[in-house]
Amino acid sequence: DAKTTQPPSMDCAEGRAANLPCNHSTISGNEYVYWYRQIHSQGPQYIIHGLKNNETNEMASLIITEDRKSSTLILPHATLRDTAVYYCIVRVAIDNAGNMLTFGGGTRLMVKP
Amino acid sequence: AAGVIQSPRHLIKEKRETATLKCYPIPRHDTVYWYQQGPGQDPQFLISFYEKMQSDKGSIPDRFSAQQFSDYHSELNMSSLELGDSALYFCASKPGAAGANSPLHFGNGTRLTVT
Repeated sequence: DAKTTQPPSMDCAEGRAANLPCNHSTISGNEYVYWYRQIHSQGPQYIIHGLKNNETNEMASLIITEDRKSSTLILPHATLRDTAVYYCIVRVAIDNAGNMLTFGGGTRLMVKP
Repeated sequence: AAGVIQSPRHLIKEKRETATLKCYPIPRHDTVYWYQQGPGQDPQFLISFYEKMQSDKGSIPDRFSAQQFSDYHSELNMSSLELGDSALYFCASKPGAAGANSPLHFGNGTRLTVT
């Protein structure tokens, strides 16, 4: 799976949008971009994923550049409970149901009052 | 909505003992993954199962084994425990072939402490 690069840490003011970037310049055509977060010692929580189109759900928006070499996760109105480590992961989605996620690095987002 | 259930939540064992962790996937999910997360580290993939067969293997020690049962629950068996096995162990599940790009959903983990 393609490697991703994320800033190690970011701060965001409560109530403001948090924009978390991710570089995946070696992504291939059949790899999806997934975002997870992990609040201290809890299980990783799925946020959103996409292939090439922008996606939005109740938690966040995912913006993928046209060349698919980078993406941005947007939390529109960050709250203190959004403080967590955010992982951007690219993964091939194939039918034999292997498809494990490889976690690496991530961005530690600190939301401040 | 039903989530992935892991038991026990906490487990304390002594060196050289054995431990069994259990994972109950989301209903109708036939694929299970096990991860280990040491202190201050990212989750590391151990092993996965699809339709009761092992599908991928990661950095799982030979002292560990796992299986998936007919009801799709999975157990991770750990023998000759070492201090370094102290970690959080997460299980995740997803639909298998029917949901190739479906995300994995994680349980809240078992915290294993080896003394």
